[in-house]
Formats: sequence, structure tokens, C-alpha cells
Amino acid sequence: KAGVTQTPRYLIKTRGQQVTLSCSPISGHRSVSWYQQTPGQGLQFLFEYFSETQRNKGNFPGRFSGRQFSNSRSEMNVSTLELGDSALYLCASSPLGQGARFGGYTFGSGTRLTVV
Amino acid sequence: SQKIEQNSEALNIQEGKTATLTCNYTNYSPAYLQWYRQDPGRGPVFLLLIRENEKEKRKERLKVTFDTTLKQSLFHITASQPADSATYLCALDIGGGSQGNLIFGKGTKLSVKP
Repeated sequence: KAGVTQTPRYLIKTRGQQVTLSCSPISGHRSVSWYQQTPGQGLQFLFEYFSETQRNKGNFPGRFSGRQFSNSRSEMNVSTLELGDSALYLCASSPLGQGARFGGYTFGSGTRLTVV
Repeated sequence: SQKIEQNSEALNIQEGKTATLTCNYTNYSPAYLQWYRQDPGRGPVFLLLIRENEKEKRKERLKVTFDTTLKQSLFHITASQPADSATYLCALDIGGGSQGNLIFGKGTKLSVKP
């Protein structure tokens, strides 16, 4: 079956702009989590969506937001981009959002965002 | 807050040897801990999950141990191969149950030399 698909793979944006990233989970998976990965901080949890509802949120400013559609596809949006937002953004899907308990998450290949 | 530390940023070993990676955590003990492999430019790939009541878990050449007294997990790759070269991440749950949200260590970059 198809894996987790993230688009686009690469993005270059200018400071102050906004960006929208997309994630299509594995078919049948209802939970999508988003992570930011940087060399200095590693993988940091942004938020999790389950059945179109945000269930958990990490410690990121309100410029970071997301949503999930009825088909479980998810988008995240970053407004007023800053240089420090340059990172690899990863989404992960699991059947019921209990990936950590019963098995691992399946990650996409990520979107590499560069803010100049 | 819960923290995870992976002791080595990098580990270099010779092909055929056993690689041992360490993951330590602070504060409360998670109910389970996971290990992932990440190759450059790709997302992490799930390898193994071990629960707090399990001392050891094996999968082919991989072995994970979980010591809740020491608050430590060890990840072993036996008979290592150059193809095992990657960054290995440990992760544990902080969601308190159903949410299953993970926090990750920063990873150990393993290089296996032929």
C-alpha cells in the first residue's frame, strides 16, 4: 500500500511569507502528527490531528497551525515566516493515534523548507 | 519536563562488530519506548517498540533492552554492515496514554566501516 505522501518535497520562501504543507496519510489511518526537525533541536512535536480535530499541540507559536480533512489528509500552515523556521517538516500517520503504544508511526519523507 | 539523551552524537565501528547505542531519559518512566532509523533526507523508519514490562526485544540482528531502574534503553546491532550506517533515534511517549505523542532524542549517527 502507498506510504505517507508529503508535498512539496522542497520549498524556498522569503521571510514574512506564509507556507502550506500537505500530508496524505496511509489509507485508513486517521491520525496525523507533524514534527519539525532541525540539526540543533532534533525532532520536535508540532501537533496531532485525529478525525479532523486537533488532539495535542506542542510548544510552538501560534504562527504554526494545521487542519485535517474528512479524508484524513492534513495541511500545516506557517505564517509570517522567520529564518529559524527553516527545517525538515515531517508528518507521521498511525491508525488510531496510538502508534506509540501498539507500534510505530509511519513517517513521510518530509518537506524541506528554506526561509531566506 | 521529560528529556531524552542519546549519549553519542556519532559512533564509528568496524563491519562485523556489534554496535551499541544508548538512550537515557529523565523524570517519569514511559510505558513504552521506540527506536527509529533515519537516512539522510528521509523520514524516520520504525524499528522496534519495547514496553516497560519487557526487559528485551529482538528482531533479526537488532536487540533492544529497557531498564526502568536505570531509566535507560540500549539498542544493539549485531554483525553490523555498512548498510546499517544511518542515524538512530529513540523516542518515548509523553501523551499519558491514548494520544501516543512521541518525544525524540537527537539521535546517534552510526557509521559502519568495511
